[in-house]
Amino acid sequence: AQSVTQLDSQVPVFEEAPVELRCNYSSSVSVYLFWYVQYPNQGLQLLLKYLSGSTLVKGINGFEAEFNKSQTSFHLRKPSVHISDTAEYFCAVSKRGNFNKFYFGSGTKLNVKP
Amino acid sequence: NAGVTQTPKFQVLKTGQSMTLQCAQDMNHEYMSWYRQDPGMGLRLIHYSVGAGITDQGEVPNGYNVSRSTTEDFPLRLLSAAPSQTSVYFCASSTGDRGGVGEAFFGQGTRLTVV
Repeated sequence: AQSVTQLDSQVPVFEEAPVELRCNYSSSVSVYLFWYVQYPNQGLQLLLKYLSGSTLVKGINGFEAEFNKSQTSFHLRKPSVHISDTAEYFCAVSKRGNFNKFYFGSGTKLNVKP
Repeated sequence: NAGVTQTPKFQVLKTGQSMTLQCAQDMNHEYMSWYRQDPGMGLRLIHYSVGAGITDQGEVPNGYNVSRSTTEDFPLRLLSAAPSQTSVYFCASSTGDRGGVGEAFFGQGTRLTVV
């Protein structure tokens, strides 16, 4: 079975500072990895995904994430955040060959301060 | 370009009432699923479907029923609402990796309160 751990429930950061949101997963099989963002009172929007190939994945809004198989991690990074990045971020995994089930972490609330 | 559409957006139920949350997608996706979102717990899978006529249980199926008579629609039924079912419900659809897209598309959510 898969499980996803997001170590930080809240991350406060000042505008234009770099940020890293951490995600670790456990799985006995190969997985696909995703980061979703949820703005207040909205649904989830895909930021980026790792399916195969290069371990550094670039997404929308200047975000990127690096897949580390040995550490079973998929941390999300942005070199310079904006006020508009304030949202909740979810890491998710799905089993290879099966997009029926997504397993989500508990979420990290990013609060960007001016 | 509607994507995944959920109705209603908000609903208040009394304990014991039943209701159906509607979900429709116009992307011809095979896979559809329902999640509930509770504070500090992320999203948890309730039920999912791999195609018309085929459904299965997720992590937290108790108190919910689903059916899938068409590719487009995947309604979620609450048989007898309980306060523990107060949550935000999300419907999602995905192509599966054969489609090469490999992601889930989410609706805007239904905020349900059971009193």
